[in-house]
Amino acid sequence: AQSVTQLGSHVSVSEGALVLLRCNYSSSVPPYLFWYVQYPNQGLQLLLKYTSAATLVKGINGFEAEFKKSETSFHLTKPSAHMSDAAEYFCAVSSYYGNNRLAFGKGNQVVVIP
Amino acid sequence: NAGVTQTPKFQVLKTGQSMTLQCAQDMNHNSMYWYRQDPGMGLRLIYYSASEGTTDKGEVPNGYNVSRLNKREFSLRLESAAPSQTSVYFCASRGTGDGYTFGSGTRLTVV
Repeated sequence: AQSVTQLGSHVSVSEGALVLLRCNYSSSVPPYLFWYVQYPNQGLQLLLKYTSAATLVKGINGFEAEFKKSETSFHLTKPSAHMSDAAEYFCAVSSYYGNNRLAFGKGNQVVVIP
Repeated sequence: NAGVTQTPKFQVLKTGQSMTLQCAQDMNHNSMYWYRQDPGMGLRLIYYSASEGTTDKGEVPNGYNVSRLNKREFSLRLESAAPSQTSVYFCASRGTGDGYTFGSGTRLTVV
């Protein structure tokens, strides 16, 4: 079974500082990896995804993530936090093979401090 | 606009009542999913349907049933609602390739 670990349910970051959200995955087959963002009382919006092409993936709103197979990681970064980045972020794993279920981590609630 | 449509958006039930959450997609996707979201738990898979005519249990299926009515529609039924089923429910679909599309969610409160 595939799974994702996100540590630190709440993450505080100062405006203008680096945003780093960690995601480690477990998968017995080559994974597809995703980061989603959820703003208060809204649905899920795809930030970026890795599907076995380039290991450095660029997404929307200035976010990017790097797939590191040796570390089974897919950490999300943004060089400079904006107030509008305050939201909950979810890492998720799936695969091309099997039933394609999407397994989510528990999420990181990001708070941006002015 | 193409996408996944969930109804209703909000619902309050009394313990023991039943209800069906509706989900429809217009992207001709084969696979459909039902998730529940609870604080600090992320999204957990309740049931999924890999194709029309098939359904399978996910991570937290107890207390729920599903029906894949046709390729477009995948409904989730609570036969006897319990307070533990208070949650936000999301439907999603996936076609060929790697993209998942989520609905806007149903916020359910069981009192």
